[in-house]
Amino acid sequence: QQQVKQSPQSLIVQKGGISIINCAYENTAFDYFPWYQQFPGKGPALLIAIRPDVSEKKEGRFTISFNKSAKQFSLHIMDSQPGDSATYFCAARGLGGGATNKLIFGTGTLLAVQP
Amino acid sequence: GAGVSQTPSNKVTEKGKYVELRCDPISGHTALYWYRQSLGQGPEFLIYFQGTGAADDSGLPNDRFFAVRPEGSVSTLKIQRTERGDSAVYLCASSPRQGLNNEQFFGPGTRLTVL
Repeated sequence: QQQVKQSPQSLIVQKGGISIINCAYENTAFDYFPWYQQFPGKGPALLIAIRPDVSEKKEGRFTISFNKSAKQFSLHIMDSQPGDSATYFCAARGLGGGATNKLIFGTGTLLAVQP
Repeated sequence: GAGVSQTPSNKVTEKGKYVELRCDPISGHTALYWYRQSLGQGPEFLIYFQGTGAADDSGLPNDRFFAVRPEGSVSTLKIQRTERGDSAVYLCASSPRQGLNNEQFFGPGTRLTVL
């Protein structure tokens, strides 16, 4: 119940195309769903996040779509650019005793945007 | 204005040795997290500090792992009798306070290699 499943494992998109990464979870107690971007040799950096009372959130070229009933959420990157090439992780906030804010991460998607 | 810093950036040790990994959070951040990231995987939660106390250590894999944050700022992750399976990138993150939607800011990590 503490898992977050992410797909695909890797993704190749042409410049200007749309990149779509999907995640699914089981624990209905999760209440915060961030997406992180990680470049080689760097720590993850927050890209965008959503709470389950909202079905969609958009920030620039990045959009999260959230389907509470299906327990799924996805990241859409519009007009993908070579600089977007990185590993993307979805996550969910796990609620331990006292609501610790610990994040449960998916396994990651390696995105390559070809020029 | 600096971000989360971690030292050393790389640590190579022999099986059975003791290691200490240091994290300097963003100034003023009261919450501090340690995660472990194995190759090709998402970060896995280890321990969370709110101030000086470990509020949640449920992710520590066994009693060889221990972390401290004596003055509520810098934290040290300590691993005794290291094993080859401990090889991973150890990530530290901090956030301003516990609560809703608090972004966790990650450091670059310490890559630990146990020979």
